[in-house]
Amino acid sequence: DQQVKQNSPSLSVQEGRISILNCDYTNSMFDYFLWYKKYPAEGPTFLISISSIKDKNEDGRFTVFLNKSAKHLSLHIVPSQPGDSAVYFCAAKSGGYQKVTFGTGTKLQVIP
Amino acid sequence: GAGVSQTPSNKVTEKGKYVELRCDPISGHTALYWYRQSLGQGPEFLIYFQGTGAADDSGLPNDRFFAVRPEGSVSTLKIQRTERGDSAVYLCASSASGTSDSYEQYFGPGTRLTVT
Repeated sequence: DQQVKQNSPSLSVQEGRISILNCDYTNSMFDYFLWYKKYPAEGPTFLISISSIKDKNEDGRFTVFLNKSAKHLSLHIVPSQPGDSAVYFCAAKSGGYQKVTFGTGTKLQVIP
Repeated sequence: GAGVSQTPSNKVTEKGKYVELRCDPISGHTALYWYRQSLGQGPEFLIYFQGTGAADDSGLPNDRFFAVRPEGSVSTLKIQRTERGDSAVYLCASSASGTSDSYEQYFGPGTRLTVT
């Protein structure tokens, strides 16, 4: 039972354009959402997070949008850079619990 | 300062053998987590320690898997009677506290376990 779903296994974007990575979840108890970035042979690195009391959180080139009614969140990267090429994982947790549930990841390729 | 380190980086073992995987968290981090990542999947939660105690071990797949953190720092994940299905990358993470949403988890590079 995949509670966090990333339906696009891969995405290619031209340098300078916007990258949009999507994530859906099924567990209505999730109230905190995170995005991680992973390069090959390295562990995931925290990128940005959002609490369910917000619908948007921005950090530099990265913005996460949350639509609770649709159980959907997205990560926007503007402008995309070649160094952004990596696998991006969407993750979620329930308040009070430290167990983090990850999606299957989306491999982003930013083409120079 | 050093990040999370994991040893060994690679481990090949025969089916039925016992293995130990080690995690050194960031100094001062009280919370420690183990995840398993199979090919094409995201990390899957195994267990979470707050200090020396396992606060949540609901992700351990069966009783062949066990983890300890006797002094609240280094942790060891132990797998008995390994099976080919145990082959995966085992990731360790630590955070400054396990009691706040805002304390991000810092991941190590993982140990790639291959069971032949």
